[in-house]
Amino acid sequence: DQQVKQNSPSLSVQEGRISILNCDYTNSMFDYFLWYKKYPAEGPTFLISISSIKDKNEDGRFTVFLNKSAKHLSLHIVPSQPGDSAVYFCAAANTNAGKSTFGDGTTLTVKP
Amino acid sequence: DAGVIQSPRHEVTEMGQEVTLRCKPISGHNSLFWYRQTMMRGLELLIYFNNNVPIDDSGMPEDRFSAKMPNASFSTLKIQPSEPRDSAVYFCASRGHGRRDTEAFFGQGTRLTVV
Repeated sequence: DQQVKQNSPSLSVQEGRISILNCDYTNSMFDYFLWYKKYPAEGPTFLISISSIKDKNEDGRFTVFLNKSAKHLSLHIVPSQPGDSAVYFCAAANTNAGKSTFGDGTTLTVKP
Repeated sequence: DAGVIQSPRHEVTEMGQEVTLRCKPISGHNSLFWYRQTMMRGLELLIYFNNNVPIDDSGMPEDRFSAKMPNASFSTLKIQPSEPRDSAVYFCASRGHGRRDTEAFFGQGTRLTVV
């Protein structure tokens, strides 16, 4: 049972346009959500997070939206840059349990 | 801070051999995680330590896998005997300050190939 799903394995956008990466979860006990970015031959690095008490968190070009009723979150990157090309992992956590469950990742390609 | 340090970066071994992966977490961090990344299963949590104590090892695939954290600055993941299906990238991550709502910091990973 995969509790965190990223249904799009890949996404390609033009430089300057918006990238929207989606993530769905099934466990209603999750109360904290994170996005990580991963370049080849490197470990994932933290990008942005959101608590379940919020529905939006913004950090520069990156915004995460949370829809608890739909158990869905999305990451918006505006404007997209070629350096954003990477694998993006969605993660969800129950802070009482102390661990995160990751999705399979979405490979974003931003074309110049 | 040097970040989470994993060694070796690459390991090629023959089936049946013992493999030991090493991790040095960020100083002061009290949670440590071992993850495995494969094409088929994505990024899956193997085991999670808090204050050097294993909290959740439900992701450890089978008895061939074992993990230890003898002190706050060192952890090992051992596979004995190794099998070709263990080939994957293994990541160690640490999280600090006793909080459970912050991000984890990942090492660069160990790419294991079992032939």
